[in-house]
Formats: sequence, C-alpha cells, structure tokens
Amino acid sequence: DQQVKQNSPSLSVQEGRISILNCDYTNSMFDYFLWYKKYPAEGPTFLISISSIKDKNEDGRFTVFLNKSAKHLSLHIVPSQPGDSAVYFCAAVLIQGAQKLVFGQGTRLTINP
Amino acid sequence: GAVVSQHPSWVICKSGTSVKIECRSLDFQATTMFWYRQFPKQSLMLMATSNEGSKATYEQGVEKDKFLINHASLTLSTLTVTSAHPEDSSFYICSASLVPDTQYFGPGTRLTVL
Repeated sequence: DQQVKQNSPSLSVQEGRISILNCDYTNSMFDYFLWYKKYPAEGPTFLISISSIKDKNEDGRFTVFLNKSAKHLSLHIVPSQPGDSAVYFCAAVLIQGAQKLVFGQGTRLTINP
Repeated sequence: GAVVSQHPSWVICKSGTSVKIECRSLDFQATTMFWYRQFPKQSLMLMATSNEGSKATYEQGVEKDKFLINHASLTLSTLTVTSAHPEDSSFYICSASLVPDTQYFGPGTRLTVL
C-alpha cells in the first residue's frame, strides 16, 4: 500500500524555468509533509516542509503547496538551476507514535542548460 | 545545522559475515533515530525506529534478528547486519529527529555482500 506517491519518475526542465514536482498521498491524518533532495550515494538533504494546517510555505527559490482536499502537494523551484539536478523525494509524517517518515518513490529532476 | 554522520561510508564483506554500521548525531541529541534501506532506483524504505535506551521498533517484513539495532546513547545508534547475504547488499541510511517536522539524514553506507 503506497501511501505517498510520486507518479513522475523523471522531469526535465530548462535552466531558469520553473520546476514543479508533484506528490499525492492517501492518508488524511498525516501531520507534516517534507521534501528532500538526494544525490547518488548520499543521504537525503532536507529542503522544505509544510504543516498539514497550512497550504503554502516558501523558502527562497523553493515553495511547497498543499491541497488537502485533493491530497496533493507540489514543490516549485524557481528559477531552476543546474545544481538542482537530483532526485527529489516527498515524505509524510504522522506525529502520533514514532514520527515515521513515509517516502514517495522519488522524481529525478534534470535541469538542462 | 544538524549533522548526522555514518561510518563506514562503504563496506564490502563476504557472505555469512556480520557488518556493523554506526550512526551519530554530531551536534545534537537525538532520542529517536531511524534506519532506512534503499535499493537501486527505489524509494527509501524505513526498516526500524530506534529509541535511546529501549528496543527498536521494526517495520513489517524486517527481520529483527538479522538487523540488530542498538541505540546506546543519545548520539549513537548502530545497525548490525548479521550473517549478511548478497540480497542484503543495499544503501543503508540513518536519520535523527530533532523536531517533529524534520529528520536529518546521514550520508549513507553502501553495503556490498559478495
């Protein structure tokens, strides 16, 4: 049962344009959602999070939008830079219990010069 | 920012041997640490949750006798893969929780079992 899904395995965007990464979830009880960036053979790096009681959080070039009715969140990166090329994972967490993160499958973002 | 280290970063071992991986939170105390495994081109899968001073909580399908977890202090958790086999070859990543909405990850350990 995949509670967090990233349906696009890959995405290519031109440098300077907006990158939009999407994520869907099934459990309406999730408290927080997080986005991580991962390079090969490295651990994930935290990018940005959003509480389930909010619909938008912005940090520099990164903005996360949450649509609870649609159980959908997205990460916007603007402007996209070559260094943004990586695999992006969305994750959801339930505070109740052990704060376990549930990850999506990841989306490989490639920024083309 | 919060830093989590893992040691070793990569290890190659023979089938049947045991391998220990250390996870340390360098600049903060983590009451909870998590162990993940990632197979090639797949998502991170939570293996177990490790709480300092108590037994780890394993996810369904993860053999607790094979993947021994010890969380001896607020800054150290260890994962021991016992009697490793080639199918255990994977990328193992730990994380430590500082605040509920953030987990900081270690750099990962690449295990190759021959």
